[in-house]
Amino acid sequence: EAGVVQSPRYKIIEKKQPVAFWCNPISGHNTLYWYLQNLGQGPELLIRYENEEAVDDSQLPKDRFSAERLKGVDSTLKIQPAELGDSAVYLCASSRWTGKADNEQFFGPGTRLTVL
Amino acid sequence: GQQVMQIPQYQHVQEGEDFTTYCNSSTTLSNIQWYKQRPGGHPVFLIQLVKSGEVKKQKRLTFQFGEAKKNSSLHITATQTTDVGTYFCAGRAGGSNYKLTFGKGTLLTVNP
Repeated sequence: EAGVVQSPRYKIIEKKQPVAFWCNPISGHNTLYWYLQNLGQGPELLIRYENEEAVDDSQLPKDRFSAERLKGVDSTLKIQPAELGDSAVYLCASSRWTGKADNEQFFGPGTRLTVL
Repeated sequence: GQQVMQIPQYQHVQEGEDFTTYCNSSTTLSNIQWYKQRPGGHPVFLIQLVKSGEVKKQKRLTFQFGEAKKNSSLHITATQTTDVGTYFCAGRAGGSNYKLTFGKGTLLTVNP
């Protein structure tokens, strides 16, 4: 089966510019996650979707970050305006949520964002 | 909030030596997962532990979940160059919060 697809793979922008990342999860996976990973750190959850509902967005900086998953399939994460500290790798992951216990998360290749 | 700590941060071994990374949580966990991230790659799921005292093996890898469900370890026997990467543990606290909290990871390098 195809893996999690993310685009773009790399993005370089100047501060204060907007940027958007796209993620297409594995077919049939109802749960989608956006993570931020800084160099030398573990992934930090930004938002989790179950189908089209954002069930955990407590770590999403809502003043500048937004996300959507309109049809419960692919998702977009946006930053507007970007700041220097937003430079990181943005990972998307998906899993098949059964409601009983965690299932393994399948990660995409990530988008490496550099803000100049 | 929940914290997951991993030690060591870095480990360099000679090929054939053993390697162990430890994961400790500030709260009791309902389950813990382990992921491996190769340099330049993305995290890849290795295993999930759910039961107190659980031990699981995958070839040369042995995973343990502590009796109190607050710590875990990953042990690799006779490391190979293909084991190079960062190993992350990710734990979920009990209750209705399904958020996985990742540790900072242990970077393993293997000298051939």
